[in-house]
Amino acid sequence: DQQVKQNSPSLSVQEGRISILNCDYTNSMFDYFLWYKKYPAEGPTFLISISSIKDKNEDGRFTVFLNKSAKHLSLHIVPSQPGDSAVYFCAASPISGGGADGLTFGKGTHLIIQP
Amino acid sequence: DTAVSQTPKYLVTQMGNDKSIKCEQNLGHDTMYWYKQDSKKFLKIMFSYNNKELIINETVPNRFSPKSPDKAHLNLHINSLELGDSAVYFCASSQGLPSSYNEQFFGPGTRLTVL
Repeated sequence: DQQVKQNSPSLSVQEGRISILNCDYTNSMFDYFLWYKKYPAEGPTFLISISSIKDKNEDGRFTVFLNKSAKHLSLHIVPSQPGDSAVYFCAASPISGGGADGLTFGKGTHLIIQP
Repeated sequence: DTAVSQTPKYLVTQMGNDKSIKCEQNLGHDTMYWYKQDSKKFLKIMFSYNNKELIINETVPNRFSPKSPDKAHLNLHINSLELGDSAVYFCASSQGLPSSYNEQFFGPGTRLTVL
């Protein structure tokens, strides 16, 4: 029933190494994908997005990869820094739905960067 | 100079009461949203308004009524509060319709506790 799945509730990575967060989706109508970062007691903050016509989008230390055939996307953070410790949400939306849908979120992955 | 603000940040109330949560955005965006994050941490869309008109209304009890007095405000009124309404409610805004490649900006959230 979950259309966006983040199967790892938490992930621990050493500072300086690469963090890889994964997300799977089931709805083939999704064609716009976003990653949000959330600190405790704050709202989600937009990080990076990708549309289905691309397979990669890069912004500084953050890169999102999209494998449309596998309905899978991943967020790579390199190098990981202590300030990256947060909950990361994957979200998806259909673009061609005529405005009838909001974002569908995964359950989040808690990333912990170890010093 | 907060982009999306919500008041109050915390709301504790008794079952059966009626309460409101206010949201304001100063980004000049056309579209505003309400999301609910339940105890399982899923963020789910509740409503979306574009230029003061309702465009998304997910399956939400009619005890919840959004009101948009102008483009910059989307308030959430909840009547006859129930225990299951306890959650964190997030307001968000975006430029343009949900069916566009525009990220949504979130407020800090309102933690509602119904006793």
